[in-house]
Amino acid sequence: GAGVSQSPSNKVTEKGKDVELRCDPISGHTALYWYRQSLGQGLEFLIYFQGNSAPDKSGLPSDRFSAERTGGSVSTLTIQRTQQEDSAVYLCASSPRWSETQYFGPGTRLLVL
Amino acid sequence: AQSVTQPDIHITVSEGASLELRCNYSYGATPYLFWYVQSPGQGLQLLLKYFSGDTLVQGIKGFEAEFKRSQSSFNLRKPSVHWSDAAEYFCAVGSKTSYDKVIFGPGTSLSVIP
Repeated sequence: GAGVSQSPSNKVTEKGKDVELRCDPISGHTALYWYRQSLGQGLEFLIYFQGNSAPDKSGLPSDRFSAERTGGSVSTLTIQRTQQEDSAVYLCASSPRWSETQYFGPGTRLLVL
Repeated sequence: AQSVTQPDIHITVSEGASLELRCNYSYGATPYLFWYVQSPGQGLQLLLKYFSGDTLVQGIKGFEAEFKRSQSSFNLRKPSVHWSDAAEYFCAVGSKTSYDKVIFGPGTSLSVIP
């Protein structure tokens, strides 16, 4: 079956613009995660969803970052007023239930000029 | 505080040599443990996981890991490394009993010398 998909695969934007990143999890997976991976760095946890709710938003770097999930499926990560330090690969993962194996999407590579 | 450490930032081994990547965790609850691999330009792929039962788990590509509760460790091993194993390896820990987030270690970069 289809894996986790993310769009766009690449995004170049100007500083100060808003961007929206999309994640389509594997069908039936209730848990969805967002991570950020900067060049040469490990995974930085941003937020996770159990169904449509996000029990832990503590990983979001600032109030410019927000995420939502609708219908227990698609999730969007929005970054407002982008800054150059937001440049990174944003990874989405889903799992059948909480704390089970996460299946990762290919990521969205964001470059803020 | 919950944490995962991978003491070795970068390891270089010769092809055919054995490999051990270290992972230590600090976690209050009974943990789930994972190893993921990220090859250059590729996404993250699960190598193996420990949920319960036998503390020695087998994974894909000939990897295995052993959960040692007394040492809070979950080290990854492979008896003979192949050039294609060059990649970034991440250890991760999650909770069986609470909705805490899964925590990833900082990663260990593996280089393989022909």
